[in-house]
Amino acid sequence: KAGVTQTPRYLIKTRGQQVTLSCSPISGHRSVSWYQQTPGQGLQFLFEYFSETQRNKGNFPGRFSGRQFSNSRSEMNVSTLELGDSALYLCASSLVAYEQYFGPGTRLTVT
Amino acid sequence: GEDVEQSLFLSVREGDSSVINCTYTDSSSTYLYWYKQEPGAGLQLLTYIFSNMDMKQDQRLTVLLNKKDKHLSLRIADTQTGDSAIYFCAEREDYGGATNKLIFGTGTLLAVQP
Repeated sequence: KAGVTQTPRYLIKTRGQQVTLSCSPISGHRSVSWYQQTPGQGLQFLFEYFSETQRNKGNFPGRFSGRQFSNSRSEMNVSTLELGDSALYLCASSLVAYEQYFGPGTRLTVT
Repeated sequence: GEDVEQSLFLSVREGDSSVINCTYTDSSSTYLYWYKQEPGAGLQLLTYIFSNMDMKQDQRLTVLLNKKDKHLSLRIADTQTGDSAIYFCAEREDYGGATNKLIFGTGTLLAVQP
């Protein structure tokens, strides 16, 4: 079975631009969560989607948004990029509540 | 709020056992996890333990849970150079609603010397 896939793997953007990251969960998984990983703040929860509905949200500004499609694929969007948004963005999917599997991440660099 | 703490670094010799420790604050957490991250990669789920268990063994991995002290440990037997990575402890946030939100520790860098 294929794992969680994330595209693109690497991205360079400039301040003020917006970016969209994509996550395809493991087949059959309906929950998708997003995390931001930075050297300073570590791993922080962004949001979780289940059956196209946002089920939980972390403490991030409104510039960070996401959505989930009927096939469970998810996208997250960051508008008006700031230097501090440079991070590894990780997506995780789960079938049962206690097992989450992560993708390889998207490395975003904001210049 | 929730907080998960880990020591930052552990160095062991190949063939020795490694023990990585973690403390958490949310006593209502039902599941606790260990993830492994290699350079440039995502997180690999190593194992998890349900809060009503004291111990779980899975091949070279042993997880011990002391719920009274909110202490979790991961023991890796016969540590190999391929085990060199960052290890994250995580607790699942349980507030009565359905969620898969994980609270992660800062990570422990395990360096295995040949």
